Amino acid sequence: KAGVTQTPRYLIKTRGQQVTLSCSPISGHRSVSWYQQTPGQGLQFLFEYFSETQRNKGNFPGRFSGRQFSNSRSEMNVSTLELGDSALYLCASSLVGLAGSSANYGYTFGSGTRLTVV
Amino acid sequence: GQSLEQPSEVTAVEGAIVQINCTYQTSGFYGLSWYQQHDGGAPTFLSYNALDGLEETGRFSSFLSRSDSYGYLLLQELQMKDSASYFCAVRPITGGGNKLTFGTGTQLKVEL
Repeated sequence: KAGVTQTPRYLIKTRGQQVTLSCSPISGHRSVSWYQQTPGQGLQFLFEYFSETQRNKGNFPGRFSGRQFSNSRSEMNVSTLELGDSALYLCASSLVGLAGSSANYGYTFGSGTRLTVV
Repeated sequence: GQSLEQPSEVTAVEGAIVQINCTYQTSGFYGLSWYQQHDGGAPTFLSYNALDGLEETGRFSSFLSRSDSYGYLLLQELQMKDSASYFCAVRPITGGGNKLTFGTGTQLKVEL
């Protein structure tokens, strides 16, 4: 089966611009999460979407936003880009984690979008 | 909140056994996962411990001790292709959903 697809693979933007990244999850996976990865901060959770609703949000400023469509595809947007937003942005899809369940809902990650802000 | 600490770098020789530790301070989680990430690549799922004890998957094993707030990933018969970064991660009980909190990551270098 097809994996998680992220587009574009690489992106260069100028400070102050905005950017939209796209993620298509594995077919049947309804939970989509986004992470920012940098050498200094590691993998940091941005937000999770399920059934077009944001279920969780990490500690990022309001410039970071996202949405999910009815086909489970997700987009994230960063407005007013700053140099510090340069990072690898990873999308991950999974089956839905049921509340109270300790079952493994392992993520399948996409290859990411490498964003460079200049 | 949650914080998971890992050694930043581990070096071992091909064919050897290496253990990557993960110590954590967390208010509660469902289980401990391990992911592998090669340079520039996607993290891939390796192993999961919902309960204390050892889980074995081929050359990889993972261990969890909730009483000691500690877990580890054990890689046996190391191969050059095992050179990568390894992350432990937990799914917190509070907050719900599928949020994962990742450890600081360990870069494993396998040498001849």
